[in-house]
Amino acid sequence: QVQLQESGPGLVKPSGTLSLTCAVSGGSISSSNWWSWVRQPPGKGLEWIGEIYHSGSTNYNPSLKSRVTISVDKSKNQFSLKLSSVTAADTAVYYCARGRIALNWFDPWGQGTLVTVSS
Amino acid sequence: SYELTQPPSVSVSPGQTARITCSGDALPKQYAYWYQQKPGQAPVLVIYKDSERPSGIPERFSGSSSGTTVTLTISGVQAEDEADYYCQSADSSGTYGVFGGGTKLTVL
Repeated sequence: QVQLQESGPGLVKPSGTLSLTCAVSGGSISSSNWWSWVRQPPGKGLEWIGEIYHSGSTNYNPSLKSRVTISVDKSKNQFSLKLSSVTAADTAVYYCARGRIALNWFDPWGQGTLVTVSS
Repeated sequence: SYELTQPPSVSVSPGQTARITCSGDALPKQYAYWYQQKPGQAPVLVIYKDSERPSGIPERFSGSSSGTTVTLTISGVQAEDEADYYCQSADSSGTYGVFGGGTKLTVL
């Protein structure tokens, strides 16, 4: 079955850019699915960040849109997240998941990776 | 922006029935989905399309919809069901999706 695994730096400096990758195994990223990023600040709820289709089509959370870029690398079967101009408020566990926020469910999810924004 | 409202907490004794609600204006038109999240773990889908249960999810988990409220029901609650539960749905146009704020289920 499809499995997802996030990777990337666990510490990012304020005003820097957060970069994460989600590797997809057990299935093709070019299947008829959307792929999403979701984050969860410590002790708080889930926040959808954005989604991408293998064609490159994207949708972003309006509250983050100006700082977010999601891209796909079909040759590596993975997709990536970049979040610029980060502050301490961006400290969170970042999850990747298969699914589309407005039209279907998220399943499966990656295990999540904690990214801390600190100098 | 669209919002889904969940109670912050629900408490039940083992063997009893837990009901967790999620309210939103567009729920009569849009499906809802439910996730269980245990500490330190990723969310797990427990209900999709209001009332469908994924394979591997115990039968004690069920979902229902009535007007602007959807409900996750856990019958015969077990200690292992203690977790945070989140609903997910979309606005009436299907343009924007959101998660509810989450409900902490405590098994007394």
